[in-house]
Amino acid sequence: GAGVSQSPRYKVAKRGQDVALRCDPISGHVSLFWYQQALGQGPEFLTYFQNEAQLDKSGLPSDRFFAERPEGSVSTLKIQRTQQEDSAVYLCASSPTGQDEQFFGPGTRLTVL
Amino acid sequence: RKEVEQDPGPFNVPEGATVAFNCTYSNSASQSFFWYRQDCRKEPKLLMSVYSSGNEDGRFTAQLNRASQYISLLIRDSKLSDSATYLCVGGRGKLQFGAGTQVVVTP
Repeated sequence: GAGVSQSPRYKVAKRGQDVALRCDPISGHVSLFWYQQALGQGPEFLTYFQNEAQLDKSGLPSDRFFAERPEGSVSTLKIQRTQQEDSAVYLCASSPTGQDEQFFGPGTRLTVL
Repeated sequence: RKEVEQDPGPFNVPEGATVAFNCTYSNSASQSFFWYRQDCRKEPKLLMSVYSSGNEDGRFTAQLNRASQYISLLIRDSKLSDSATYLCVGGRGKLQFGAGTQVVVTP
């Protein structure tokens, strides 16, 4: 079956520009997670949804980061006024219940110039 | 201090040899543990879950030691295709990832 998909795969933004990253989880998966991965590091948790409810957003680095999952399926991570330090790979993962293994999408590689 | 700590390596392993490495976790409330494999510029892929009783999947064996708060992964009969970064993961709902252990299998 189809896995987690993310778009765009690559995004180049000028500093100060707003970006929106999309995640399509595996159909039927209740939980959806966003991570940020810098080069040479493991994924760092950003935020977590169970259906449409955002249960934990403790990992969002600033109020420029905003995520939503309005219908409990597709999710969007928005970054306003991008900064160079936002450059990273943004990974989305989904999980059947949230207490078990997570399945990752291919990521969006964001480069802020 | 990160919640999950791993030796970054690299572990250089001759083809056919056995390699083992650990990671430690600091959150004693963690309930779920996994090993993920990540190839260069790719997403992490689940290698195996880690159970308290230990578990084996082919050439891979994972162990969990709750008393000492560490998780181990052993790879037997290493293949060239095992070259990757292995991410140790633990948590309770929200998973914490280690920075990864790089394994390089050489001919």
